[in-house]
Amino acid sequence: GAGVSQSPSNKVTEKGKDVELRCDPISGHTALYWYRQRLGQGLEFLIYFQGNSAPDKSGLPSDRFSAERTGESVSTLTIQRTQQEDSAVYLCASSLFREDNGYTFGSGTRLTVV
Amino acid sequence: AQKITQTQPGMFVQEKEAVTLDCTYDTSDPSYGLFWYKQPSSGEMIFLIYQGSYDQQNATEGRYSLNFQKARKSANLVISASQLGDSAMYFCAMRERNNNDMRFGAGTRLTVKP
Repeated sequence: GAGVSQSPSNKVTEKGKDVELRCDPISGHTALYWYRQRLGQGLEFLIYFQGNSAPDKSGLPSDRFSAERTGESVSTLTIQRTQQEDSAVYLCASSLFREDNGYTFGSGTRLTVV
Repeated sequence: AQKITQTQPGMFVQEKEAVTLDCTYDTSDPSYGLFWYKQPSSGEMIFLIYQGSYDQQNATEGRYSLNFQKARKSANLVISASQLGDSAMYFCAMRERNNNDMRFGAGTRLTVKP
C-alpha cells in the first residue's frame, strides 16, 4: 500500500481482556517496528522485525506483550490480560533496511483499558 | 546506552520567524544517525531530516536544517520562516549503527503564533 496501515484506529477494552493490534507495512519494507506512546510522552521502543531474522524483543515491557510477523508482511501485536497502564497509542513503523532511512509511521492504534 | 535529551517542553515562535529546537544525545558508538520527526495533533509521525555521524555538512531539507555539532553531541533543528502549520510536537531521535531500535527524546511542542 501507499503507507503503513494500522487497525483498529481506536480500541476500548476491559481490564483483563486480550487485544490484538494489526500493522500492514509498506510493500517492500523489510524492517518493521512497534512503539508505544503514552499521553504527552515520547516513543518507547517495543519490538523490531527484520526480514526472516529473529525479532529484537528487548523493548517488550512484560511477558503479556508479544508480536508476530510472517516474512515481510503484516504484523500483529498482542497484549494479554490488559492493564490500565497499557493505555497508550501503539505506533507501527516500517523502513527499507538502510542506515539513512527514516521510518514511515502508521497513524497508530489508541488503546484505552477501562 | 543511547540517550536523547530535548530540554524544551514547549516553544513559541512568531509566524515567518526562525526557531531552533534543541537536542543533545549521548552515545559511545562512533557511527550513528540522527533524525527529527514532526507529530501534528492528528498523531502521525512525519520524518523531516537525517544527519549521519560522519557527514561533513549539516543536513538541509527545504525550510528544515540540522545544526550538527558533533563534539558537543548536539543536533538542533532549525525551522526557517515558520508557518502556522508547523505547530506540532517535534521529536529528536538517534539510531546507533549496531542497534536495531531508534531512541526518541521526550519531544518539544512548538506553537507558531500568527
